[in-house]
Amino acid sequence: AIQMTQSPSSLSASVGDRVTITCRASQGIRNDLGWYQQEPGKAPRLLIYAASNLQSGVPSRFSGSGSGTDFTLTISSLQPEDFTTYYCLQHYTYPWTFGQGTKVEIK
Amino acid sequence: VRLVESGGGLIQPGGSLRLSCAVSGFTVSGNYMTWVRQAPGEGLECVSVIYSDDTKYYADSVQGRFTISRDISRNTLYLQMNNLRAEDTAVYFCGSSGFYYRGFDLWGQGTMVTVSS
Repeated sequence: AIQMTQSPSSLSASVGDRVTITCRASQGIRNDLGWYQQEPGKAPRLLIYAASNLQSGVPSRFSGSGSGTDFTLTISSLQPEDFTTYYCLQHYTYPWTFGQGTKVEIK
Repeated sequence: VRLVESGGGLIQPGGSLRLSCAVSGFTVSGNYMTWVRQAPGEGLECVSVIYSDDTKYYADSVQGRFTISRDISRNTLYLQMNNLRAEDTAVYFCGSSGFYYRGFDLWGQGTMVTVSS
């Protein structure tokens, strides 16, 4: 199975900060990766698909990049509603695998 | 457009449950759909995916015990879970993409499964 190593596992930041979260795949996955946001007790919310495509309705402060093994999710200016947990998900091959998550906390 | 899960509950180890995901606003056929679970305090795990061509995949942890299916007449996705174990305890979410996979953009609210004696 492809391992998705997500880092950091948590970070502290302030409103207005620029934040970058990374996912590294244990083998090349082309651009078969999505990013999800999850608030406690709620279903995941799709932010980015195919590594760099912004899902409809998602604010433009979110962006994704990468291909092959290294991917990043960037939040250009953190807003209060962004302090929650983020996951990457690869769909290059089954079993589809999530990263372990990154919790973004208020500094 | 809505997905509503049901069927969770408390079940003894070795027991069976069938989760349902009732869909409104689009058809379950011809779409990528998934069951994703989250154990208490843990991250997300993709349990099973059914492709638009009906190809089915399962996580290694549930292979041979869980079966994903869809009923077009009821417009519902199912997850049949047999021989349940304590480690299957989790909130189970159903999700949907389109005919061409572009991420799971529609989700249900989740249903809790607790496996305990």
